[in-house]
Amino acid sequence: DTEVTQTPKHLVMGMTNKKSLKCEQHMGHRAMYWYKQKAKKPPELMFVYSYEKLSINESVPSRFSPECPNSSLLNLHLHALQPEDSALYLCASSQVYRETNTEAFFGQGTRLTVV
Amino acid sequence: GEDVEQSLFLSVREGDSSVINCTYTDSSSTYLYWYKQEPGAGLQLLTYIFSNMDMKQDQRLTVLLNKKDKHLSLRIADTQTGDSAIYFCAESKPGGYNKLIFGAGTRLAVHP
Repeated sequence: DTEVTQTPKHLVMGMTNKKSLKCEQHMGHRAMYWYKQKAKKPPELMFVYSYEKLSINESVPSRFSPECPNSSLLNLHLHALQPEDSALYLCASSQVYRETNTEAFFGQGTRLTVV
Repeated sequence: GEDVEQSLFLSVREGDSSVINCTYTDSSSTYLYWYKQEPGAGLQLLTYIFSNMDMKQDQRLTVLLNKKDKHLSLRIADTQTGDSAIYFCAESKPGGYNKLIFGAGTRLAVHP
């Protein structure tokens, strides 16, 4: 099983709303990631959690707030977003190895539209 | 520094071979990946290669790596209409978690 499940698949929210994106994996992976993908662009890393601790924040605005409640779940809390934040948000997970390769598996993404 | 570049578009006839190219700049040891993205979907990991290898084959897919030129290619044999998608080349460092640096993606169009 190499499945990463993201919910919801689509989300439309107003600029004053608060919403959350959810991601779940049951592969025993200890690293989880949020990527943002704008139309016709490659994915860009936002956050990395390793062993449920935030390891990387790629200078993401505070209106995006990640949370890793346990080793299988990853949330992205959204508040006061702007229309330019509309994008496909991708979750990924991988093992954490000291010296070798670790393959990252992606979910199907949440298509977010901010109106 | 880290930079991954790809050509943006490739059109092939069904049944022909497709070759998608990628160049990377990081000279240290690295893993190089190929991901496939269909419209409106997430990324599907196709294959990967470590920078000390020359070639890797997996069914219809062949990855070739020219370390001297830092050039990576993905060859798809007997290309089918279901192969139409965007193909991303990406690199990451070994060890720890997997921070991927993606190329811009190559759109593969397969026509009859």
